[in-house]
Amino acid sequence: QQPVQSPQAVILREGEDAVINCSSSKALYSVHWYRQKHGEAPVFLMILLKGGEQKGHDKISASFNEKKQQSSLYLTASQLSYSGTYFCGTVHGGSQGNLIFGKGTKLSVKP
Amino acid sequence: DTGVSQDPRHKITKRGQNVTFRCDPISEHNRLYWYRQTLGQGPEFLTYFQNEAQLEKSRLLSDRFSAERPKGSFSTLEIQRTEQGDSAMYLCASSLESTVYYGYTFGSGTRLTVV
Repeated sequence: QQPVQSPQAVILREGEDAVINCSSSKALYSVHWYRQKHGEAPVFLMILLKGGEQKGHDKISASFNEKKQQSSLYLTASQLSYSGTYFCGTVHGGSQGNLIFGKGTKLSVKP
Repeated sequence: DTGVSQDPRHKITKRGQNVTFRCDPISEHNRLYWYRQTLGQGPEFLTYFQNEAQLEKSRLLSDRFSAERPKGSFSTLEIQRTEQGDSAMYLCASSLESTVYYGYTFGSGTRLTVV
């Protein structure tokens, strides 16, 4: 039950904002967010636990909507360094095992 | 803390040959994961270990794939009788404990090309 990410790709100018969504058809325990730059390994950004919390990381924040089984990643005042592919990974109820990753959202920030 | 190390970084092999990859996780991390990633896709789960015990293996994983983590330290992933469809980036990750609460630290990966 791979989570569905949207949009698949987004192009921004420096300073613009973006939202990336991650939805699951199964009940979620937690959601992870990672960023992967071309040719590099994914890098952990943050983890959201069920409970509708919101977390921040510099100008990157995320929320978890337990009712909708959805998480959203917010990138504000984007910088060139934000470019990359963003993946959400989901942990489902009752499982403390592996993450299931979405297909990713490619973010390109232009000067 | 030197992060997660994977060796080799690149491997080119002929179809039908066996290959083995190594992963050295962060020493304090109890969990170790193997994923496979192809171009334009998210990492696909293969298997994971809690210390030396292999707790889960993907149903999609062929019998040609085997992984070990002796003594709960480094891990190896072996692919027997490689096929062209095995060409991918093989990523290893480790985490402190349960995936519910702890993020992964990924290694740089081993890129396998089967010719």
